Amino acid sequence: GAVVSQHPSRVICKSGTSVKIECRSLDFQATTMFWYRQFPKQSLMLMATSNEGSKATYEQGVEKDKFLINHASLTLSTLTVTSAHPEDSSFYICSAIERGYNEQFFGPGTRLTVL
Amino acid sequence: DAKTTQPPSMDCAEGRAANLPCNHSTISGNEYVYWYRQIHSQGPQYIIHGLKNNETNEMASLIITEDRKSSTLILPHATLRDTAVYYCIVRSRQAGGYQKVTFGIGTKLQVIP
Repeated sequence: GAVVSQHPSRVICKSGTSVKIECRSLDFQATTMFWYRQFPKQSLMLMATSNEGSKATYEQGVEKDKFLINHASLTLSTLTVTSAHPEDSSFYICSAIERGYNEQFFGPGTRLTVL
Repeated sequence: DAKTTQPPSMDCAEGRAANLPCNHSTISGNEYVYWYRQIHSQGPQYIIHGLKNNETNEMASLIITEDRKSSTLILPHATLRDTAVYYCIVRSRQAGGYQKVTFGIGTKLQVIP
């Protein structure tokens, strides 16, 4: 089956630093990737939709200058949390849609803790 | 995506069938019903999907009512590892296009020994 990986799985950083999270489709080409955020005991919240070679589309209320998304290839999308603050601590999950299909596969998530 | 409603929590005895309901009364004709689950601190896992016929795979069965306004996910013999939050989602399925998946609160299933 289609596999989506994320790296790192867990990261702890100091307030004010930037953190980059990678999302890769391992055995398929993903024309579209999605980034979600999940706070404790809450559901997944869609942050942005990322298409290969074009700018990401952000959901209402998500700051595009704070959450930089780059979908540079058909197998890689990155989310950079710039100038991270404790309130950005969350579980970040990516998902990918295989080229030519509409099935969505999810990564294992990245736990970000900002001190 | 059409709105879905699910009970926030359910308990099920280990070894018994777990029946998780979902209402999707505003579903349109080209929208499928998808079920995902999320085990604590992991990404969502696909379980099953269907359009109007009942479906079965190695994980579960999906029963969709004739009017398609509701469905039930059945885990035939629940195990402790099935403890998770289960999400019911409706979305269209078009090759070459996409529709973003938005999640509701889901049903937290607790399998009890």
